[in-house]
Amino acid sequence: EPEVTQTPSHQVTQMGQEVILRCVPISNHLYFYWYRQILGQKVEFLVSFYNNEISEKSEIFDDQFSVERPDGSNFTLKIRSTKLEDSAMYFCASSPPQSYGYTFGSGTRLTVV
Amino acid sequence: AQKVTQAQTEISVVEKEDVTLDCVYETRDTTYYLFWYKQPPSGELVFLIRRNSFDEQNEISGRYSWNFQKSTSSFNFTITASQVVDSAVYFCALSPGNRDDKIIFGKGTRLHILP
Repeated sequence: EPEVTQTPSHQVTQMGQEVILRCVPISNHLYFYWYRQILGQKVEFLVSFYNNEISEKSEIFDDQFSVERPDGSNFTLKIRSTKLEDSAMYFCASSPPQSYGYTFGSGTRLTVV
Repeated sequence: AQKVTQAQTEISVVEKEDVTLDCVYETRDTTYYLFWYKQPPSGELVFLIRRNSFDEQNEISGRYSWNFQKSTSSFNFTITASQVVDSAVYFCALSPGNRDDKIIFGKGTRLHILP
């Protein structure tokens, strides 16, 4: 069964550094998403992306964050100048154009120290 | 506004007991989807079920069953004959009817199955 692949599974970074979280969506999917889950809390929507542009973003997704689809397969989330409170699990998801098939990746656990 | 409420923060039951996880949702959309996800200690989100708002039939899958009641805006999840491997956090979630829309999660219910 096709999967959404996220790398790395765990990343540790120092406060103030930039990180890039990587995702490879399912190949025929056209809608892409990032979600965040702070430890012990609920999963929260960050941003959706379609046709090479952001279609919706939440209040969490401020200027510190950006997304990009640099080539035909990857979908990345960049966090600039990381803060301690950015420590969380980040989930990528994708869905296809013609039917409902939302699929989540297994997540990247980001730890900011 | 759209919202999902899981009033039970944490539940503990002894193995083989049945357990029901409650979910109440709010939406003004006439078309929407409801979901349940399981999050084991390893952290990934495991998809359990998706239900279209027009399909109010209850569903059974092995030891799992779901009770969708539009009249009370509830989508409850029952595990029959619980097992230790069922221990996890369970999230109920809601998405508007458009396929590209975000999913709104509840806060989750942490389920402990005691041997």
